[in-house]
Amino acid sequence: AQSVTQLDSQVPVFEEAPVELRCNYSSSVSVYLFWYVQYPNQGLQLLLKYLSGSTLVESINGFEAEFNKSQTSFHLRKPSVHISDTAEYFCAVSPPGSARQLTFGSGTQLTVLP
Amino acid sequence: EAGVAQSPRYKIIEKRQSVAFWCNPISGHATLYWYQQILGQGPKLLIQFQNNGVVDDSQLPKDRFSAERLKGVDSTLKIQPAKLEDSAVYLCASSLVSSQRSYEQYFGPGTRLTVT
Repeated sequence: AQSVTQLDSQVPVFEEAPVELRCNYSSSVSVYLFWYVQYPNQGLQLLLKYLSGSTLVESINGFEAEFNKSQTSFHLRKPSVHISDTAEYFCAVSPPGSARQLTFGSGTQLTVLP
Repeated sequence: EAGVAQSPRYKIIEKRQSVAFWCNPISGHATLYWYQQILGQGPKLLIQFQNNGVVDDSQLPKDRFSAERLKGVDSTLKIQPAKLEDSAVYLCASSLVSSQRSYEQYFGPGTRLTVT
């Protein structure tokens, strides 16, 4: 079984400041890793994913996450945030295999302040 | 392409009443998921379908929850009778079956259920 821990439930940050949202996972097998974002009154959207290859993955809107196997982490970072980045961010894991099921963390509410 | 559709968006019922949620996945997506998201928690998988067959329903409280996907397209999730602890957002998601894209789940806006 897998589990995901997002230690920070709320992260307030000023506009144009850097941000890091932390994600740690626990699993007895290799996993694939994901970050989903949920804007107010909208459904979850896939932000980025790590399946294999380079441990640093990037999204189209400037976020990046790095898979660290030794620390079992997949932290999300952005060097300069915008007001429009205000949303809830969920880290999730899925074991390789046919089921493709996701186990989510409890989420981190990112609030960007002017 | 149209996204995952869910209805209703909001529902308020009294405990012991019944309720049903509907989901229409993205056209061509063979896999459909129902998740329960309680306030302050991440989504938890309730049931996964591939076409009209159940892949996993191990976390579905079968004494009160049921789900079906009769023609391999739309799906309905039912709760009968509802309890206070069923208050949550119910999310539907769908994905392709092909090996790489199947990891990309597309979520609907959810149905917010309040049980009083």
